[in-house]
Amino acid sequence: ETGVTQSPTHLIKTRGQQVTLRCSSQSGHNTVSWYQQALGQGPQFIFQYYREEENGRGNFPPRFSGLQFPNYSSELNVNALELDDSALYLCASSLGLTTNEKLFFGSGTQLSVL
Amino acid sequence: EDKVVQSPLSLVVHEGDTVTLNCSYEVTNFRSLLWYKQEKKAPTFLFMLTSSGIEKKSGRLSSILDKKELSSILNITATQTGDSAIYLCAVDPLSGSARQLTFGSGTQLTVLP
Repeated sequence: ETGVTQSPTHLIKTRGQQVTLRCSSQSGHNTVSWYQQALGQGPQFIFQYYREEENGRGNFPPRFSGLQFPNYSSELNVNALELDDSALYLCASSLGLTTNEKLFFGSGTQLSVL
Repeated sequence: EDKVVQSPLSLVVHEGDTVTLNCSYEVTNFRSLLWYKQEKKAPTFLFMLTSSGIEKKSGRLSSILDKKELSSILNITATQTGDSAIYLCAVDPLSGSARQLTFGSGTQLTVLP
């Protein structure tokens, strides 16, 4: 167990709705990254937060947005949901941005968009 | 655009067999290559390979990085049913400060009793 917790574990939404996913990073970790994993694919980088600031973004539209709070927990918000947003959303935390730090992943939120 | 290709896509073996999983990559600036095991949902860290650490071993698992061939292999000896999982390979490029991993699609390993 990594100490990274995500909620909820499962979520069903309809097209056009908005969703908020939550992540509590491992104790002491100040960096949180979000990944989207579609069925049969590897995780795809959405964005990363370091000390409450966005510190890098993948190839995702602006309707994917996030926040990091002073306690380093994080939220991923997705507006105007589309069917293709159905996926497992993974949160990963690490301490800082050094090359020697491993990313510890949570168990994810399985989002289904109908 | 960074790219990671894993092969085979799936593999079925029997307990006790030895398996080799392959990962090839294209990345503008290489920082490290990581292997993860994904059972059910959360990927769990196995190895990180860098220019200064091209070979890692932990129990029955070992991994080698070939920087010349831009590839890596993950070996599992004396496989057990508990090794059944998706094995993910990812590269961590040296681009800015963000830890932006690019993953392959994974190899689904099934170990039969």
